[in-house]
Amino acid sequence: NAGVTQTPKFRILKIGQSMTLQCAQDMNHNYMYWYRQDPGMGLKLIYYSVGAGITDKGEVPNGYNVSRSTTEDFPLRLELAAPSQTSVYFCASSHGTGGHGYTFGSGTRLTVV
Amino acid sequence: KQEVTQIPAALSVPEGENLVLNCSFTDSAIYNLQWFRQDPGKGLTSLLLIQSSQREQTSGRLNASLDKSSGRSTLYIAASQPGDSATYLCAVFSSGSARQLTFGSGTQLTVLP
Repeated sequence: NAGVTQTPKFRILKIGQSMTLQCAQDMNHNYMYWYRQDPGMGLKLIYYSVGAGITDKGEVPNGYNVSRSTTEDFPLRLELAAPSQTSVYFCASSHGTGGHGYTFGSGTRLTVV
Repeated sequence: KQEVTQIPAALSVPEGENLVLNCSFTDSAIYNLQWFRQDPGKGLTSLLLIQSSQREQTSGRLNASLDKSSGRSTLYIAASQPGDSATYLCAVFSSGSARQLTFGSGTQLTVLP
């Protein structure tokens, strides 16, 4: 099925470890986004990309890095994981800007202990 | 900075009731407003999108209204069903320099059979 695929679905990390959250879309969307959702809160934008080779910071970028080498993939890298990064991470894509036509992945639940 | 607030945080109603979910935002310079549905362990699904020039949108038993001048939106669900149980998120796409979706924290709805 077409859409946004996130892996893994669950992960437990120890403090100081690193990992990469994978995100892939097969809709040829130019725009891709990474959000985090803390319990009882809305989604906050971490990073976004308007096309291959172009990325920019969102509201809460500290502690994360991204890359966009292809249109399809937008991995999120956590360096030196901290308990404050315990959250559910959502990747999304859209064809254009304008706030509509977003497709969300099913999320990655990350716990840092 | 745009802020989005949703009240109530949780709502429980018996099946068949009509209900209203509320959303308010601080900056009226918006491009559009969306209502999303989030099921446990799943991504977000867009329900309704209202452009800034519109007053309301309808889809089946759902009706969303927008009063941009007062910074308010409501989601009306008619004849609620247990399958409507989910978290409903409101998000605004600002027309200023920060052209990104800003999410509220959601209303967790439970419809009791």
